[in-house]
Amino acid sequence: AQTVTQSQPEMSVQEAETVTLSCTYDTSESDYYLFWYKQPPSRQMILVIRQEAYKQQNATENRFSVNFQKAAKSFSLKISDSQLGDAAMYFCAYTGANSKLTFGKGITLSVRP
Amino acid sequence: ETGVTQTPRHLVMGMTNKKSLKCEQHLGHNAMYWYKQSAKKPLELMFVYSLEERVENNSVPSRFSPECPNSSHLFLHLHTLQPEDSALYLCASSRTGTKTDTQYFGPGTRLTVL
Repeated sequence: AQTVTQSQPEMSVQEAETVTLSCTYDTSESDYYLFWYKQPPSRQMILVIRQEAYKQQNATENRFSVNFQKAAKSFSLKISDSQLGDAAMYFCAYTGANSKLTFGKGITLSVRP
Repeated sequence: ETGVTQTPRHLVMGMTNKKSLKCEQHLGHNAMYWYKQSAKKPLELMFVYSLEERVENNSVPSRFSPECPNSSHLFLHLHTLQPEDSALYLCASSRTGTKTDTQYFGPGTRLTVL
């Protein structure tokens, strides 16, 4: 079974600085998809970024980018120029052949003004 | 985000009550999901519906009963719940229910069982 591990429960970043959130996963599959979701205090889970495993190029969405290391089974999220609105819980997730979305436990990011 | 809506947003119920959670998606998707989110635990997939057919029941107790009357609506009927069922219940939808999809989530219903 696939597992997703987010080992850091909390992180803090100064406004305008850069922060990296870590995620590792375990799978025997070669074709899969990885996601980062953001859940602000309002609780609506929002997709931040997704990565197809067959693509070597790291996905980027404005200030958000990933460092996808397939051999190491690592999928970290980098947030540049952090803003107060980035404060939220961030979940790393995986989906493979069974089409089930497996989530990590999440990390709470706080942004200091 | 108004693509997936859930009602009610908050619900308090006793263990003998019967209540229902409602989810509606306005995205034209064909797959819908129920998740349970408890504190300090990863999201747990409960049910998956694809084209109104249940394709996944992730060992959920029978006190939770899903219903999908059409591809836009999903219900979760609750009866004789336990206090440990208190959690945030999230609904999601996706285009086809396959691994290539992105799932879009509703705001959730915060359920408290007394």
